Amino acid sequence: AQTVTQSQPEMSVQEAETVTLSCTYDTSENNYYLFWYKQPPSRQMILVIRQEAYKQQNATENRFSVNFQKAAKSFSLKISDSQLGDTAMYFCAFMKLSGYALNFGKGTSLLVTP
Amino acid sequence: GAVVSQHPSRVICKSGTSVKIECRSLDFQATTMFWYRQFPKQSLMLMATSNEGSKATYEQGVEKDKFLINHASLTLSTLTVTSAHPEDSSFYICSAMTGGEETQYFGPGTRLLVL
Repeated sequence: AQTVTQSQPEMSVQEAETVTLSCTYDTSENNYYLFWYKQPPSRQMILVIRQEAYKQQNATENRFSVNFQKAAKSFSLKISDSQLGDTAMYFCAFMKLSGYALNFGKGTSLLVTP
Repeated sequence: GAVVSQHPSRVICKSGTSVKIECRSLDFQATTMFWYRQFPKQSLMLMATSNEGSKATYEQGVEKDKFLINHASLTLSTLTVTSAHPEDSSFYICSAMTGGEETQYFGPGTRLLVL
C-alpha cells in the first residue's frame, strides 16, 4: 500500500512571501502520478498541480511549483507571492496507474496573513 | 471545463432512513467516479470506485450493503446511504475522471447529518 506523509500540520506565511509545503510518500511503483489539492473553507477540492513520475522536469502552474525528487520519494509544493486566497488546507496525493484511486496525506493547514 | 456537481449540498435525515446523493460530471464523460468520506479536520478516505455499467469496488471496511453505489451513465453516479445512523454523519465527496486524463476532479461535497 502507498502511504503519503505530510509532516507539517500547520503553516503560516505572510502575504507576498514564499512558502514550501513538504510531502513524502512510500511506494514500490515505478510509474505513478502525484498531486497537490487545495481545500479552502468551502471544502471544495481544487487541483493545484500534477506531476507524472516519469517526467524529470518539475511541474509549474503560475505561482505554484513542485520539487519532485523521485529517488527520495519527495514531492514538495512551493507557493510564491502568497496571497490571502491561498489560505486553505493543502493535501498531497498519490495515484497508482492501476485503478487510479488517490491516497491522500493528512494535509497541511496554510494560513496567509496580511 | 471538468466541472463536477453534487446534490444535495446538505441533508439532514432521521436515523433509519435512506439518503441518496448524486454526483454528475457536467461537461465531460466520466468512465470512473470515486466516492470519499471526510470527517472534520481529517483527510479524505476513499470509500469506493465506480465504473460506468459495472459494480462498484469498495475499500476494505466499507459496507457495500450500507453504501449503495450506482453508476448508470457516463455522467451520473449515486451514493445511497441505507438505514442511516448518527455515525454515518460526515462530509461525502465524489470525484470523476475524464477519459485519457489521469486526474480526478471533485464535486463540492455533501454534508450529511443523521439525527
